Amino acid sequence: EAGVAQSPRYKIIEKRQSVAFWCNPISGHATLYWYQQILGQGPKLLIQFQNNGVVDDSQLPKDRFSAERLKGVDSTLKIQPAKLEDSAVYLCASSSARTPNEQFFGPGTRLTVL
Amino acid sequence: QKEVEQNSGPLSVPEGAIASLNCTYSDRGSQSFFWYRQYSGKSPELIMFIYSNGDKEDGRFTAQLNKASQYVSLLIRDSQPSDSATYLCAVIGNKLVFGAGTILRVKS
Repeated sequence: EAGVAQSPRYKIIEKRQSVAFWCNPISGHATLYWYQQILGQGPKLLIQFQNNGVVDDSQLPKDRFSAERLKGVDSTLKIQPAKLEDSAVYLCASSSARTPNEQFFGPGTRLTVL
Repeated sequence: QKEVEQNSGPLSVPEGAIASLNCTYSDRGSQSFFWYRQYSGKSPELIMFIYSNGDKEDGRFTAQLNKASQYVSLLIRDSQPSDSATYLCAVIGNKLVFGAGTILRVKS
């Protein structure tokens, strides 16, 4: 079984630029999560999708962050415009309907904003 | 008060010893509790989950939950150098919240 795929693995941009991250969950996993993990901190949930609907986006900074999961499979997270404090690892995770609390994480995208 | 609190460490134990990692949480209504292991530069990996008060054992790992004290712990028996990592406690109340993690170092 293939794991959660993410790309790119690394991205360096200047502040005020835009960036997009892509995630493909484990096949058949209906729930997809995006997390932000700042160095030295635990992951913070940004948004949770159930199929192509949003379950929780209460911690997503909606003035600059957006996410979509149009066909209920892969997902894109966008930051526009980026700030210095957005430098972090962006993790995507997925879980199945049978074991909804067991999340499997992708390798993450390390974003550096200069 | 943070929603999920962990001692940042590092916690250093000799090889073969028992490592004890602790976590407290603030949401009394929390129902599900998880321990993730995260190696440096890698993504978190689920190692244990517990839903009921008491102990749950899986190989060298034991999770302990005390809802009255709002406390969950992870014991690692016969610690190995390969157990050296950051251990993240995660709690589901009305949302999933991670602690900042405890760094564990097992010295050979």
